[in-house]
Formats: sequence, structure tokens, C-alpha cells
Amino acid sequence: EIVMTQSPATLSVSPGERATLSCRASQSVSSNLAWYQQKPGQAPRLLIYGASTRATGIPARFSGSGSGTEFTLTISSLQSEDFAVYYCQQYNNWPPNSFGQGTKLEIK
Amino acid sequence: EVQLLESGGGLVQPGGSLRLSCAASGFTFSSYAMSWVRQAPGKGLEWVSAISGSGGSTYYADSVKGRFTISRDNSKNTLYLQMNSLRAEDTAVYYCAKVVHYYDILTGYYKRGWFDYWGQGTLVTVSS
Repeated sequence: EIVMTQSPATLSVSPGERATLSCRASQSVSSNLAWYQQKPGQAPRLLIYGASTRATGIPARFSGSGSGTEFTLTISSLQSEDFAVYYCQQYNNWPPNSFGQGTKLEIK
Repeated sequence: EVQLLESGGGLVQPGGSLRLSCAASGFTFSSYAMSWVRQAPGKGLEWVSAISGSGGSTYYADSVKGRFTISRDNSKNTLYLQMNSLRAEDTAVYYCAKVVHYYDILTGYYKRGWFDYWGQGTLVTVSS
């Protein structure tokens, strides 16, 4: 089973600044990685798939990079609506499907 | 517009059973694999189960194998999760999600991928 590890657990950033979230896989997942955003009381929303492709309707300030075992989600200029929990997910080889434990992005 | 609407959650005693449903609309339901993902209170996302578009292939997390059964009725555009022998640790919001299939150029095969649409979730509480 592939284990996904996200860091940091909590990230405090001021609006307008850049946020960088990391996700590491216990073995290579190629570029088969997705990122989701979840706000309190809401379902997760797909942001990125294929490690770097934005889903439909996702603003350009969200970008993903990486391959193999190391991945990054960057939000270039944080808006108030971006403060949420972010999860990475590998889909290179499932089942089982696996998510990271999440990074909470909070307002500094 | 794709819509997924879960129902069937509630309070159940340990050892009890519950059946969740997910009504789908806005896409050709039978053409897509579907999945259940759960989230315990204050915790992260945990994949639970998945089923192929035809229903012929099913997959489970070790934590629910032998207790949960995923199924679908393509004539009703509905996904199900039958949960038996429920435990306190099964307490969670259960989401259904639509699975994207993608072409993997490295292998030359279509493979199960990410989850592009999610329902709003239904809460299952296992407690005496």
C-alpha cells in the first residue's frame, strides 16, 4: 500500500502571500496525483489531477508540480476563500486508494 | 450538471447494519466507476470501497472488507453501500464520488483515476 504524507500539518499564511504545500509518496506514483480542497462542512473539491493539470473552473493561482514521490501544491496569492484543508491523493495503483492526512491552510 | 446525493445515514448501535444510497444524475452512470470515501469527525479522508461501471468488479479497504458491500443499480442510477457489523470506528461522514478513467500512456491501458465529483455526504454514527 502506498502511503501519502503531507507537510506541514498546518500552514499559516497572510492573504496575498504565496502558500506551498507538500505531499510525499512512499513509492513512485509517476504523475498520478490529485489535490483536493475541503472547506468546513463541505465535500472535497477536485483542484488538480495529473500532478499539474487544473480541474475545470479552478483559478490559475493554483498550480501543482512534481512527479515520482515528491509533489507540491502552490497557491500564488492567497484569497480569503482559499483558507481550507488540502489533501493529496495517489491514483497510480489502486486499490487501495490513498489520501494524505491533509494540510490545514489558515490565516496568519 | 453532475449531482450526487447520498442518503441513509443515521444513528446505529454497534453490531448493527445500515444501507447508504447515492443517487446520481447529469452523466451516464453506467459508464463510470464509483467510490465511497469516509471522513471521521475531525479527521482526514479514508477511501472505503469502489465498484466498476458494470458492477462486476468491487474493491474494499482492509478496514471494511467482509463487513461492507458496495453495489449499484444502473437502471436507477444509484450506488449503494451495505454496512454490517458496524463499529464505533465506522462513525464518519460517508461521501460517494465519481471516478475518472484516464489513459495511461506508460502502460497503454485505461486506469481508474481521481474523483471529479463528490456528493455532500451522509453522517453515520455508531454508538450505544
